Amino acid sequence: GAVVSQHPSRVICKSGTSVKIECRSLDFQATTMFWYRQFPKQSLMLMATSNEGSKATYEQGVEKDKFLINHASLTLSTLTVTSAHPEDSSFYICSARAPGAGVHYGYTFGSGTRLTVV
Amino acid sequence: KQEVTQIPAALSVPEGENLVLNCSFTDSAIYNLQWFRQDPGKGLTSLLLIQSSQREQTSGRLNASLDKSSGRSTLYIAASQPGDSATYLCAVGDSSYKLIFGSGTRLLVRP
Repeated sequence: GAVVSQHPSRVICKSGTSVKIECRSLDFQATTMFWYRQFPKQSLMLMATSNEGSKATYEQGVEKDKFLINHASLTLSTLTVTSAHPEDSSFYICSARAPGAGVHYGYTFGSGTRLTVV
Repeated sequence: KQEVTQIPAALSVPEGENLVLNCSFTDSAIYNLQWFRQDPGKGLTSLLLIQSSQREQTSGRLNASLDKSSGRSTLYIAASQPGDSATYLCAVGDSSYKLIFGSGTRLLVRP
């Protein structure tokens, strides 16, 4: 089945530094990937839509200069949290629309990245 | 603006019970609806996807229904097991492939 690999799974960084999170589609090409953010005991909130070869589309309220998204190939999208602050600590998850059929045609998610900014 | 609500927020049942999780959405112009499972600190596992033209989907002990006109979907879990304990998320997709998630139902199946 379609697999999305997300790396790293956990990262702790100092306030003011930048962190890059990678999202790869392993066995399919994804022209569009999505980045979500999840706070503890809350649901997923879409941050941005990553489009291969073009600029990402950000949801309202998401700072594009803080959350840099690059989708340079059909299998890789990256999210860079720049000048991270403790309030950026969260669980970040990427997804891609996977090809397939039947009940599992739809979206495949990465395993998530737990970011802690100290 | 699409809003997705899941009820109940939490559910605790003894092993073996059949149970129903509810999901409602405010805008019936959806492309599809998908149910996911999330274990603590983990990503999402797709359980069932229902296209807007379909009314239900089944996979093993899981059955999901969709009623677009009333803005509702239910996930039915038969003969629940402790391994079913997780958070179940409902998400509706629009034509631009965006997913709007509900807040989830935290399920605990007691042995």
